[in-house]
Amino acid sequence: KNQVEQSPQSLIILEGKNCTLQCNYTVSPFSNLRWYKQDTGRGPVSLTIMTFSENTKSNGRYTATLDADTKQSSLHITASQLSDSASYICVVRLPYNNNDMRFGAGTRLTVKP
Amino acid sequence: ETGVTQTPRHLVMGMTNKKSLKCEQHLGHNAMYWYKQSAKKPLELMFVYNFKEQTENNSVPSRFSPECPNSSHLFLHLHTLQPEDSALYLCASSLSEARGSTDTQYFGPGTRLTVL
Repeated sequence: KNQVEQSPQSLIILEGKNCTLQCNYTVSPFSNLRWYKQDTGRGPVSLTIMTFSENTKSNGRYTATLDADTKQSSLHITASQLSDSASYICVVRLPYNNNDMRFGAGTRLTVKP
Repeated sequence: ETGVTQTPRHLVMGMTNKKSLKCEQHLGHNAMYWYKQSAKKPLELMFVYNFKEQTENNSVPSRFSPECPNSSHLFLHLHTLQPEDSALYLCASSLSEARGSTDTQYFGPGTRLTVL
């Protein structure tokens, strides 16, 4: 079982609507949690990063939250746009080795007009 | 664009072929990475180079051979691959592995590899 589980696997919403993507992890302790956006045919791009002591981080219409007690993070997208169609990947970094990361399989978001 | 380029973007090869993937970064970074991304699976870190020295090899089969001649270039040499090696191979760079856990990686667009 993957140590980082994302849900849903895929999601379709209408343009202008809000949505929330979930990331549940079992990694403990951890150094930080990052959300990436990956457009089709492109590499992932970092959206937000939160350390274990942070609860929320925003980047424009993207807001990430972190609950270290329940080991859950969410990515909320407000007023979705067609360009938000992409895969969103949650990554948890372990504290003792900078290269020791656990990746979620991603959520595929499609925004329709 | 992220400042990390990869060539070729698409590659089809037979199991007996030898090919190489190339990655170049124009960001002045000192750390470079190879990842494998298979459909509906999490990203897998393959290799890490920091200041041209390999610092990580995540039990990658020897049919994948990395090369880092300088901090701006990274290659992945492929030989006698298997069909299950078909995937998107992503290259990334960051300022330095030593900068700590918040060091941001910048990814290239990837090479879509198909092994027949």
